[in-house]
Amino acid sequence: QQQVKQSPQSLIVQKGGISIINCAYENTAFDYFPWYQQFPGKGPALLIAIRPDVSEKKEGRFTISFNKSAKQFSLHIMDSQPGDSATYFCAASLRSGGSYIPTFGRGTSLIVHP
Amino acid sequence: KAGVTQTPRYLIKTRGQQVTLSCSPISGHRSVSWYQQTPGQGLQFLFEYFSETQRNKGNFPGRFSGRQFSNSRSEMNVSTLELGDSALYLCASSSDPGTSGGSYFGPGTRLLVL
Repeated sequence: QQQVKQSPQSLIVQKGGISIINCAYENTAFDYFPWYQQFPGKGPALLIAIRPDVSEKKEGRFTISFNKSAKQFSLHIMDSQPGDSATYFCAASLRSGGSYIPTFGRGTSLIVHP
Repeated sequence: KAGVTQTPRYLIKTRGQQVTLSCSPISGHRSVSWYQQTPGQGLQFLFEYFSETQRNKGNFPGRFSGRQFSNSRSEMNVSTLELGDSALYLCASSSDPGTSGGSYFGPGTRLLVL
């Protein structure tokens, strides 16, 4: 059972364009939604995260939009750069035993052409 | 500050063997989580340790186990290896898992089971 569905699987964008990655979740108990960026040969790195009481969060060129009623959230990368080429994972986290335990989407491979 | 380190980086084993992977968290971080990353199943949570206690466990068979030492270093062990255990095993550390935000991943150990 895939609890977090991520799309698209791959994305090609021209430099300067907007990259949009979408995720949908099923369990309404999730209450923390981070996005990770992973380069080849590296572990994922936390990019930006949002809690369900906020509809949008922006950090530099990266914005998360969150729609609680639709159980969907998305990552927007403005002015995409070749250095943004990486795999992006969304996650939905559940609080358990004092920690937040993430369930990840399958990832989106982003290629930004110069 | 030094990042999360994992050893070894690459490992080849044969079916039926066991393996132990090591993770040194960022100095001062008391929470260590382990994840399995495969092309087929994506990123999946294995377990989380905090102050030498396992606080959360993912949906993996008992062949997967771990422990955490008093210096917060952690090891995970996989016994009776199967071909399907071939994966990138990632470790992440956090100073305060209750806030969830600051999970820092290591580069991973790539395990190949023949």
